[in-house]
Amino acid sequence: ELKVEQNPLFLSMQEGKNYTIYCNYSTTSDRLYWYRQDPGKSLESLFVLLSNGAVKQEGRLMASLDTKARLSTLHITAAVHDLSATYFCAVDVNDMRFGAGTRLTVKP
Amino acid sequence: DTEVTQTPKHLVMGMTNKKSLKCEQHMGHRAMYWYKQKAKKPPELMFVYSYEKLSINESVPSRFSPECPNSSLLNLHLHALQPEDSALYLCASSLFLGRPYGYTFGSGTRLTVV
Repeated sequence: ELKVEQNPLFLSMQEGKNYTIYCNYSTTSDRLYWYRQDPGKSLESLFVLLSNGAVKQEGRLMASLDTKARLSTLHITAAVHDLSATYFCAVDVNDMRFGAGTRLTVKP
Repeated sequence: DTEVTQTPKHLVMGMTNKKSLKCEQHMGHRAMYWYKQKAKKPPELMFVYSYEKLSINESVPSRFSPECPNSSLLNLHLHALQPEDSALYLCASSLFLGRPYGYTFGSGTRLTVV
Protein backbone atom coordinates (compact mmCIF):
# COMPACT_ATOMS: atom_id res chain seq x y z
CA GLU A 1 0.00 0.00 0.00
CA LEU A 2 1.26 3.46 -0.88
CA LYS A 3 2.46 5.51 2.07
CA VAL A 4 3.24 9.20 1.94
CA GLU A 5 5.04 10.55 4.98
CA GLN A 6 5.72 14.17 5.78
CA ASN A 7 7.87 15.66 8.44
CA PRO A 8 7.71 17.64 10.49
CA LEU A 9 3.97 17.59 11.15
CA PHE A 10 4.16 20.86 13.06
CA LEU A 11 6.60 23.66 12.40
CA SER A 12 6.87 26.97 14.21
CA MET A 13 9.28 29.41 12.62
CA GLN A 14 10.47 32.92 13.21
CA GLU A 15 10.08 35.38 10.39
CA GLY A 16 13.17 35.60 8.27
CA LYS A 17 14.34 32.05 8.98
CA ASN A 18 14.77 29.17 6.55
CA TYR A 19 13.45 25.65 6.88
CA THR A 20 12.71 22.50 4.88
CA ILE A 21 9.71 20.18 4.89
CA TYR A 22 10.32 16.60 3.78
CA CYS A 23 8.03 14.20 1.96
CA ASN A 24 8.88 10.52 1.57
CA TYR A 25 6.76 8.05 -0.37
CA SER A 26 6.84 4.30 -0.61
CA THR A 27 6.19 3.47 -4.26
CA THR A 28 7.69 4.31 -7.60
CA SER A 29 6.25 7.53 -8.89
CA ASP A 30 7.50 10.47 -10.92
CA ARG A 31 4.58 12.70 -10.06
CA LEU A 32 4.66 14.66 -6.83
CA TYR A 33 2.51 17.62 -5.88
CA TRP A 34 2.59 20.24 -3.16
CA TYR A 35 -0.57 21.94 -1.95
CA ARG A 36 -1.28 24.71 0.51
CA GLN A 37 -4.40 24.81 2.65
CA ASP A 38 -5.52 27.73 4.80
CA PRO A 39 -7.88 27.00 7.71
CA GLY A 40 -11.39 26.20 6.50
CA LYS A 41 -10.36 26.56 2.85
CA SER A 42 -9.76 24.25 -0.06
CA LEU A 43 -6.43 23.11 -1.47
CA GLU A 44 -4.31 25.47 -3.52
CA SER A 45 -1.85 23.90 -5.92
CA LEU A 46 1.70 25.11 -5.35
CA PHE A 47 3.98 22.86 -7.37
CA VAL A 48 3.75 19.97 -9.79
CA LEU A 49 6.98 17.95 -10.02
CA LEU A 50 7.04 15.50 -12.89
CA SER A 51 10.56 14.16 -13.22
CA ASN A 52 13.63 13.19 -11.25
CA GLY A 53 15.66 16.22 -10.36
CA ALA A 54 12.78 18.63 -10.96
CA VAL A 55 13.11 21.89 -9.07
CA LYS A 56 10.50 24.62 -9.04
CA GLN A 57 10.45 27.94 -7.24
CA GLU A 58 7.72 30.43 -6.52
CA GLY A 59 8.53 33.35 -4.29
CA ARG A 60 9.93 32.12 -0.98
CA LEU A 61 9.09 28.47 -1.68
CA MET A 62 11.18 25.99 -3.62
CA ALA A 63 10.27 22.35 -4.24
CA SER A 64 12.45 19.53 -5.49
CA LEU A 65 12.01 15.87 -6.37
CA ASP A 66 14.39 12.93 -6.13
CA THR A 67 12.54 9.93 -7.53
CA LYS A 68 15.39 7.53 -6.77
CA ALA A 69 15.27 8.40 -3.08
CA ARG A 70 11.48 8.78 -3.25
CA LEU A 71 11.89 12.12 -1.57
CA SER A 72 10.57 15.61 -2.18
CA THR A 73 11.46 18.71 -0.25
CA LEU A 74 9.73 22.06 0.18
CA HIS A 75 12.21 24.72 1.20
CA ILE A 76 11.08 27.95 2.79
CA THR A 77 13.38 30.94 2.52
CA ALA A 78 13.12 33.98 4.81
CA ALA A 79 9.69 33.02 6.10
CA VAL A 80 6.95 35.63 6.41
CA HIS A 81 3.70 35.46 8.37
CA ASP A 82 1.64 35.04 5.19
CA LEU A 83 3.18 31.61 4.68
CA SER A 84 1.39 30.27 7.77
CA ALA A 85 -0.80 27.41 6.52
CA THR A 86 -0.86 23.63 6.25
CA TYR A 87 1.25 22.20 3.44
CA PHE A 88 0.49 18.80 1.92
CA CYS A 89 2.55 16.73 -0.42
CA ALA A 90 0.72 14.21 -2.57
CA VAL A 91 1.69 11.37 -4.87
CA ASP A 92 -0.35 10.50 -7.92
CA VAL A 93 -0.56 6.74 -8.47
CA ASN A 94 -3.92 6.25 -10.19
CA ASP A 95 -5.34 8.72 -7.69
CA MET A 96 -3.93 11.43 -5.43
CA ARG A 97 -2.69 10.24 -2.04
CA PHE A 98 -1.78 12.87 0.51
CA GLY A 99 0.75 13.08 3.26
CA ALA A 100 -0.48 14.00 6.73
CA GLY A 101 0.35 17.66 6.22
CA THR A 102 2.76 20.07 7.87
CA ARG A 103 1.14 22.82 9.88
CA LEU A 104 3.41 25.83 9.55
CA THR A 105 3.17 28.82 11.85
CA VAL A 106 5.42 31.80 11.16
CA LYS A 107 5.81 34.11 14.13
CA PRO A 108 6.93 37.75 14.04
CA ASP B 1 -13.64 28.36 -17.22
CA THR B 2 -10.84 26.95 -15.09
CA GLU B 3 -12.75 26.16 -11.96
CA VAL B 4 -14.42 23.32 -10.16
CA THR B 5 -17.65 24.63 -8.66
CA GLN B 6 -19.13 23.03 -5.57
CA THR B 7 -22.53 23.78 -4.07
CA PRO B 8 -23.58 24.36 -1.43
CA LYS B 9 -20.60 25.82 0.43
CA HIS B 10 -22.14 24.97 3.77
CA LEU B 11 -24.73 22.34 4.72
CA VAL B 12 -26.28 21.42 8.03
CA MET B 13 -28.44 18.32 7.99
CA GLY B 14 -30.13 16.00 10.40
CA MET B 15 -29.45 12.31 10.56
CA THR B 16 -32.74 11.47 8.86
CA ASN B 17 -32.36 13.95 6.01
CA LYS B 18 -31.50 13.31 2.39
CA LYS B 19 -29.32 15.91 0.70
CA SER B 20 -27.01 16.18 -2.28
CA LEU B 21 -23.70 17.87 -2.92
CA LYS B 22 -23.05 19.12 -6.41
CA CYS B 23 -19.76 19.39 -8.28
CA GLU B 24 -19.41 20.85 -11.76
CA GLN B 25 -16.53 21.57 -14.11
CA HIS B 26 -16.42 22.83 -17.68
CA MET B 27 -12.75 22.30 -18.40
CA GLY B 28 -13.29 19.12 -20.39
CA HIS B 29 -11.72 17.07 -17.65
CA ARG B 30 -12.51 13.38 -17.95
CA ALA B 31 -11.87 12.34 -14.35
CA MET B 32 -13.65 13.63 -11.26
CA TYR B 33 -13.14 12.81 -7.60
CA TRP B 34 -14.76 13.20 -4.20
CA TYR B 35 -12.52 13.56 -1.16
CA LYS B 36 -13.50 13.77 2.50
CA GLN B 37 -11.35 15.81 4.87
CA LYS B 38 -11.76 15.72 8.60
CA ALA B 39 -10.36 18.54 10.69
CA LYS B 40 -6.56 18.55 10.88
CA LYS B 41 -6.33 15.50 8.62
CA PRO B 42 -5.37 15.05 4.96
CA PRO B 43 -8.03 14.54 2.32
CA GLU B 44 -9.10 10.93 1.82
CA LEU B 45 -10.38 9.63 -1.50
CA MET B 46 -14.00 8.50 -1.57
CA PHE B 47 -14.89 8.05 -5.25
CA VAL B 48 -13.35 8.37 -8.68
CA TYR B 49 -15.37 8.72 -11.87
CA SER B 50 -13.48 8.30 -15.10
CA TYR B 51 -14.13 6.86 -18.55
CA GLU B 52 -17.78 6.42 -17.50
CA LYS B 53 -16.73 4.10 -14.72
CA LEU B 54 -17.12 4.69 -11.02
CA SER B 55 -14.45 3.48 -8.62
CA ILE B 56 -15.29 3.32 -4.95
CA ASN B 57 -13.09 3.33 -1.89
CA GLU B 58 -14.45 0.23 -0.22
CA SER B 59 -14.23 1.84 3.21
CA VAL B 60 -16.86 4.45 2.26
CA PRO B 61 -20.26 3.56 3.77
CA SER B 62 -23.30 3.12 1.55
CA ARG B 63 -24.98 6.21 3.02
CA PHE B 64 -22.82 8.09 0.51
CA SER B 65 -23.75 7.47 -3.12
CA PRO B 66 -22.18 9.24 -6.09
CA GLU B 67 -23.97 10.00 -9.32
CA CYS B 68 -22.49 11.21 -12.58
CA PRO B 69 -25.28 12.57 -14.84
CA ASN B 70 -22.75 13.67 -17.46
CA SER B 71 -19.02 14.21 -17.84
CA SER B 72 -19.20 17.68 -16.27
CA LEU B 73 -21.17 16.82 -13.13
CA LEU B 74 -20.46 14.58 -10.18
CA ASN B 75 -23.06 14.65 -7.43
CA LEU B 76 -22.79 13.08 -4.00
CA HIS B 77 -26.07 11.94 -2.47
CA LEU B 78 -26.26 11.80 1.31
CA HIS B 79 -28.73 9.75 3.31
CA ALA B 80 -28.97 8.82 6.98
CA LEU B 81 -25.61 10.33 7.81
CA GLN B 82 -23.97 10.17 11.20
CA PRO B 83 -22.39 13.02 13.18
CA GLU B 84 -18.94 11.55 12.44
CA ASP B 85 -19.60 12.27 8.74
CA SER B 86 -19.25 15.97 9.47
CA ALA B 87 -16.28 17.13 7.41
CA LEU B 88 -15.13 19.21 4.47
CA TYR B 89 -16.06 17.47 1.23
CA LEU B 90 -13.81 18.35 -1.66
CA CYS B 91 -14.46 17.70 -5.30
CA ALA B 92 -11.60 17.64 -7.80
CA SER B 93 -11.10 17.00 -11.47
CA SER B 94 -8.20 16.13 -13.74
CA LEU B 95 -7.78 15.98 -17.49
CA PHE B 96 -7.44 12.22 -17.45
CA LEU B 97 -7.08 9.54 -14.80
CA GLY B 98 -3.51 8.60 -14.01
CA ARG B 99 -1.82 11.32 -16.06
CA PRO B 100 0.57 13.94 -14.73
CA TYR B 101 -1.70 16.95 -15.08
CA GLY B 102 -2.54 17.49 -11.45
CA TYR B 103 -5.92 18.06 -9.93
CA THR B 104 -8.10 21.14 -9.75
CA PHE B 105 -9.95 21.28 -6.45
CA GLY B 106 -13.25 22.96 -5.75
CA SER B 107 -13.74 25.26 -2.78
CA GLY B 108 -15.42 22.48 -0.80
CA THR B 109 -18.67 21.90 1.05
CA ARG B 110 -18.53 22.16 4.82
CA LEU B 111 -21.00 19.52 6.05
CA THR B 112 -22.32 19.37 9.59
CA VAL B 113 -24.55 16.46 10.64
CA VAL B 114 -26.63 17.12 13.73
